[in-house]
Amino acid sequence: AQSVTQLDSQVPVFEEAPVELRCNYSSSVSVYLFWYVQYPNQGLQLLLKYLSGSTLVESINGFEAEFNKSQTSFHLRKPSVHISDTAEYFCAVLDTGRRALTFGSGTRLQVQP
Amino acid sequence: DSGVTQTPKHLITATGQRVTLRCSPRSGDLSVYWYQQSLDQGLQFLIQYYNGEERAKGNILERFSAQQFPDLHSELNLSSLELGDSALYFCASSVVEGAYTQYFGPGTRLTVL
Repeated sequence: AQSVTQLDSQVPVFEEAPVELRCNYSSSVSVYLFWYVQYPNQGLQLLLKYLSGSTLVESINGFEAEFNKSQTSFHLRKPSVHISDTAEYFCAVLDTGRRALTFGSGTRLQVQP
Repeated sequence: DSGVTQTPKHLITATGQRVTLRCSPRSGDLSVYWYQQSLDQGLQFLIQYYNGEERAKGNILERFSAQQFPDLHSELNLSSLELGDSALYFCASSVVEGAYTQYFGPGTRLTVL
């Protein structure tokens, strides 16, 4: 069975500082990885995804994640965060057998002025 | 806006009651997924439908059922409600069965009193 571990439940950071949200996965088959973001009182929005090809994937708002097969990780990074990035971030792996996403427990990013 | 719509946005009901949550997938998407987000269980996959047929089941209780109609909208029926069923219920859709990317609706917040 596939699983996702998000190592930090909360990450406080000051505005304009860099941030890394950690995600480790376990999977015995081909891996398809995702980061979703949930802003307060809103639904889940796809931030970025790794399906194949380049191990470094980027989003339109400055986030990037790197697929590392040897470390079974898919950490999310941003070099300089904004107040508006305050949200909960979920890492997920696609279970191609059940065709469903398995989510981590989420990391709450709190950007402080 | 993902293009996935869910109604109602909020639902408050009493224990023992039955409710129906509705989801309309993105235009052209044939596959619909239901997820539950609760404080103690996190985000969990419930069930998936593709073009009207049930295709995969997750941690869905026997008191819960779903269906997908010919116009591709889906309904999640929750019966004999318990306090622990209070949660945010998300619907997601994808273009085809097994498509890697799922797009989420805004969710229905169910409160059982």
